Amino acid sequence: DSGVTQTPKHLITATGQRVTLRCSPRSGDLSVYWYQQSLDQGLQFLIHYYNGEERAKGNILERFSAQQFPDLHSELNLSSLELGDSALYFCASSVAGYRHTGELFFGEGSRLTVL
Amino acid sequence: DQQVKQNSPSLSVQEGRISILNCDYTNSMFDYFLWYKKYPAEGPTFLISISSIKDKNEDGRFTVFLNKSAKHLSLHIVPSQPGDSAVYFCATQDSNYQLIWGAGTKLIIKP
Repeated sequence: DSGVTQTPKHLITATGQRVTLRCSPRSGDLSVYWYQQSLDQGLQFLIHYYNGEERAKGNILERFSAQQFPDLHSELNLSSLELGDSALYFCASSVAGYRHTGELFFGEGSRLTVL
Repeated sequence: DQQVKQNSPSLSVQEGRISILNCDYTNSMFDYFLWYKKYPAEGPTFLISISSIKDKNEDGRFTVFLNKSAKHLSLHIVPSQPGDSAVYFCATQDSNYQLIWGAGTKLIIKP
């Protein structure tokens, strides 16, 4: 158990819809990262928050947005969903912000299926 | 354009033998590398890392070797055990300290 909690574990929805994925980081971790893993692909970095502030953006679509709340949990919002958005979405946390060792603690992921 | 490449999607190794997983990268400025391990239905977990000031780092049965001139690193697992069956990801940090990941290699340990 990494200490990172993601909900929901599975989500099936239709094209055009909007979903919200939630992540609670490990106790004490200030950084939250979101990754997307499509079938047989590596993890694609989406966005990084540190203590409520956006630190870095990766290949995140404009239809996607995220935020980190004062209690440090984070939400990833995916809107106008397309078939190609079907993927595993991972949240990870770490103690530090940027300039850290790179060791992240991952949740079990949220599997999104868009039909 | 993949900056971190794991060219073997899968690898099958006999229990007790050595497993060697390979990773190539394109940018000679990358100076910190990590290996993560992932079981089905779980998130990746950190395994071992290496800085470019070293060419080898060892942790129990796991050793990572870095060849900077070839822009290549490898993970050696000796001896391989059934619990090592998993997907292994190689990753590095970009200039913003964000991780760039390879596509992963699925390691199967045969009894």
